[in-house]
Amino acid sequence: EAQVTQNPRYLITVTGKKLTVTCSQNMNHEYMSWYRQDPGLGLRQIYYSMNVEVTDKGDVPEGYKVSRKEKRNFPLILESPSPNQTSLYFCASSLPGGSGELFFGEGSRLTVL
Amino acid sequence: GQSLEQPSEVTAVEGAIVQINCTYQTSGFYGLSWYQQHDGGAPTFLSYNALDGLEETGRFSSFLSRSDSYGYLLLQELQMKDSASYFCAVRDEYSGAGSYQLTFGKGTKLSVIP
Repeated sequence: EAQVTQNPRYLITVTGKKLTVTCSQNMNHEYMSWYRQDPGLGLRQIYYSMNVEVTDKGDVPEGYKVSRKEKRNFPLILESPSPNQTSLYFCASSLPGGSGELFFGEGSRLTVL
Repeated sequence: GQSLEQPSEVTAVEGAIVQINCTYQTSGFYGLSWYQQHDGGAPTFLSYNALDGLEETGRFSSFLSRSDSYGYLLLQELQMKDSASYFCAVRDEYSGAGSYQLTFGKGTKLSVIP
């Protein structure tokens, strides 16, 4: 089954404790992206990657890091989480051409205390 | 950068037709997409317009006017299950860099009432 898998789905952590949210897709998509969703603000892009070893900042990259060492994986790293990073995070992937239809993971709800 | 405007909330009656508008300001416009998101779920792709005109997919249609920087999503024969948030998203493409960003509007919460 074609899918984007994120882990963990839910996480409560404390300020400053490094964490990684993993994202994996099995559709051989070149393009992958991370979004955060907050009430009233819609989906805001954090980072995106056009292919292996190619990443770029989205609209809200501060406090986040990413890496793309393999085509299927695109982890999101919070080196020192802060409460303002409490949010719902979505990973998505797509082929680069055509409609660029994004396939989203189920989301990761992160709470930073 | 890009900015998109869409109504925050819309209410419509079951069986009716509803139109959700989206206006955008962007550079290097490539296309306009629409996504649906039910409460607690992930966004799912509905439609995409790269050229002016109407695209129809079953009960849903999407329209684009590039000259007006405007598009809309039309939902016909509304059903209770259509209650969800709807997001327009603009894709702009930076030629040469071969890269693109997809920027979402803040979403329109559609409530379908009996």
